[in-house]
Amino acid sequence: EAEVAQSPRYKITEKSQAVAFWCDPISGHATLYWYRQILGQGPELLVQFQDESVVDDSQLPKDRFSAERLKGVDSTLKIQPAELGDSAMYLCASSPPGGGTGGLYEQFFGPGTRLTVL
Amino acid sequence: GDSVTQMEGPVTLSEEAFLTINCTYTATGYPSLFWYVQYPGEGLQLLLKATKADDKGSNKGFEATYRKETTSFHLEKGSVQVSDSAVYFCALSSSSNTGKLIFGQGTTLQVKP
Repeated sequence: EAEVAQSPRYKITEKSQAVAFWCDPISGHATLYWYRQILGQGPELLVQFQDESVVDDSQLPKDRFSAERLKGVDSTLKIQPAELGDSAMYLCASSPPGGGTGGLYEQFFGPGTRLTVL
Repeated sequence: GDSVTQMEGPVTLSEEAFLTINCTYTATGYPSLFWYVQYPGEGLQLLLKATKADDKGSNKGFEATYRKETTSFHLEKGSVQVSDSAVYFCALSSSSNTGKLIFGQGTTLQVKP
């Protein structure tokens, strides 16, 4: 069964350092999402791509966060410099073209990257 | 804007007990509704979904009915097992129709043998 791949699974860094996370969506999924999940809360969307174009990055802290999906396949999320408040789980998800069955926009999630900033 | 509110946890039950986790939503239009489950250290897995009023989503013994009149999508299971212990998230697809999901804060379920 196809899955969303993410790496690394865990990352520990010191504040002011740069970190990068990678996501490979399910093959053929045009839409890719990056969510941030703070401990004890639900995920919140950081950025959404349709192929290689950004659809929504309204909640992305653009002074320190950047995201790219250059060839419309895999994606990288970067934080520079990292701050203590960035400690969280970073989840990547993808959905089929056109929202999938019935336009449900069912999303398939990867295992996440747990970031700890010291 | 769109939002989802879940009952606070943790919810602690004995094995074979009946489970209800309440979820209500605020949205313009008619969003699709979802329940996701997250096991420790893992990502989210879709548990069930519903697309329109009175639809019932079901999977693995869990059920939820899309109630437009009460703007609710409560999760139920008749007999829980220890393996059901996890965090459960209610979510809706935003009115913007971009596929963005709005999640509730999550409800932790602990099932004791």
